[in-house]
Amino acid sequence: DAKTTQPTSMDCAEGRAANLPCNHSTISGNEYVYWYRQIHSQGPQYIIHGLKNNETNEMASLIITEDRKSSTLILPHATLRDTAVYYCIVRPRANAGGTSYGKLTFGQGTILTVHP
Amino acid sequence: GAVVSQHPSWVICKSGTSVKIECRSLDFQATTMFWYRQFPKQSLMLMATSNEGSKATYEQGVEKDKFLINHASLTLSTLTVTSAHPEDSSFYICSALADYISYEQYFGPGTRLTVT
Repeated sequence: DAKTTQPTSMDCAEGRAANLPCNHSTISGNEYVYWYRQIHSQGPQYIIHGLKNNETNEMASLIITEDRKSSTLILPHATLRDTAVYYCIVRPRANAGGTSYGKLTFGQGTILTVHP
Repeated sequence: GAVVSQHPSWVICKSGTSVKIECRSLDFQATTMFWYRQFPKQSLMLMATSNEGSKATYEQGVEKDKFLINHASLTLSTLTVTSAHPEDSSFYICSALADYISYEQYFGPGTRLTVT
């Protein structure tokens, strides 16, 4: 019952920007959008997260639409090492306890392949 | 900072034997640890959530008597696969959360289990 929809796969040329879309039309007001990636045979790596404002860090930028129903992860200058599965996850705000505290529900993600 | 290790990184065992996988938070105290399983070409599936000093909470469909989780300290959680069978062969990944630092989950590198 993943709450997000992502394209199955995308290609990108090395050095170009990679724009990965994510639909989360049922997102609620207390849920953040998180992005993780998983390089083959490794554990997931946190990339970025946001609530409603656009966010940027050293790895990527996150653009969230005004209605919060979709977002785009941008890798500004993709490298071969960015080839991975990218997961978009919606997750509630920090909550003191409860059975869903801290849980991440992974969908199928987008397989991004960066070509030379 | 926020490094999580797993040991072993890979293990091969015979059917019917038990295997223990360790997950350690190296530079922080993890208030909560999570265990995931990932079959080839599939996404991560949460198996259980564990809090230090208390019993783990298992996801629906995960046999608690087969996958024993111990979270005896704030830096160590163990997953024991009891009476392993070939269908238990998978990639097991742990993550750790320290809510006094942030709300992020930090993932270990994973353990590849092969049951022959």
